[in-house]
Amino acid sequence: AQSVTQLGSHVSVSEGALVLLRCNYSSSVPPYLFWYVQYPNQGLQLLLKYTTGATLVKGINGFEAEFKKSETSFHLTKPSAHMSDAAEYFCAVTPGGLGFQKLVFGTGTRLLVSP
Amino acid sequence: DTEVTQTPKHLVMGMTNKKSLKCEQHMGHRAMYWYKQKAKKPPELMFVYSYEKLSINESVPSRFSPECPNSSLLNLHLHALQPEDSALYLCASSLHTGNTEAFFGQGTRLTVV
Repeated sequence: AQSVTQLGSHVSVSEGALVLLRCNYSSSVPPYLFWYVQYPNQGLQLLLKYTTGATLVKGINGFEAEFKKSETSFHLTKPSAHMSDAAEYFCAVTPGGLGFQKLVFGTGTRLLVSP
Repeated sequence: DTEVTQTPKHLVMGMTNKKSLKCEQHMGHRAMYWYKQKAKKPPELMFVYSYEKLSINESVPSRFSPECPNSSLLNLHLHALQPEDSALYLCASSLHTGNTEAFFGQGTRLTVV
């Protein structure tokens, strides 16, 4: 079974500061990993995903994440926070493989950005 | 066109009402999904359609009835809902049900009174 743990339900940063949102996963098979962003009363938008290949994945809006198998982690980073980054961020995992694979979400981390 | 369009954006309904949520995509995706999201919680999968056939029902109460009339359209029929069913209902689609990127709609905010 797959699961995701997001450490910290809230993360506060100042504008221009480094953003680090933590995600650890559990999977019995090589996982596919995703980060989604959700703005208030909106749907989810995919920021980036890791399936296979390069472990450093670059996404939209300047975000990137690194798959570290030894640490079972997929932390999301951005060098410099912008006010518009304030939102809820969800890490999600599915097992790699054929057929339907249920997307399992973490509990989310709310990013707060102060001026 | 990379959009999943959901209507209506907001819906208030009484417990005896019948209403429907609509979801549409024109990306040629053959997998479509309904999720329910309560406040401050992650989305929870409700139903999965693959090639217009229901393939997954996550033990959802029968007061929620999904329908996939064609490959572009997904409906969720609501009847005799309870106040605890109030939530954001999200539709998503993907190329197929494998590990491909899921595109989400903006959701329908449902309030049951």
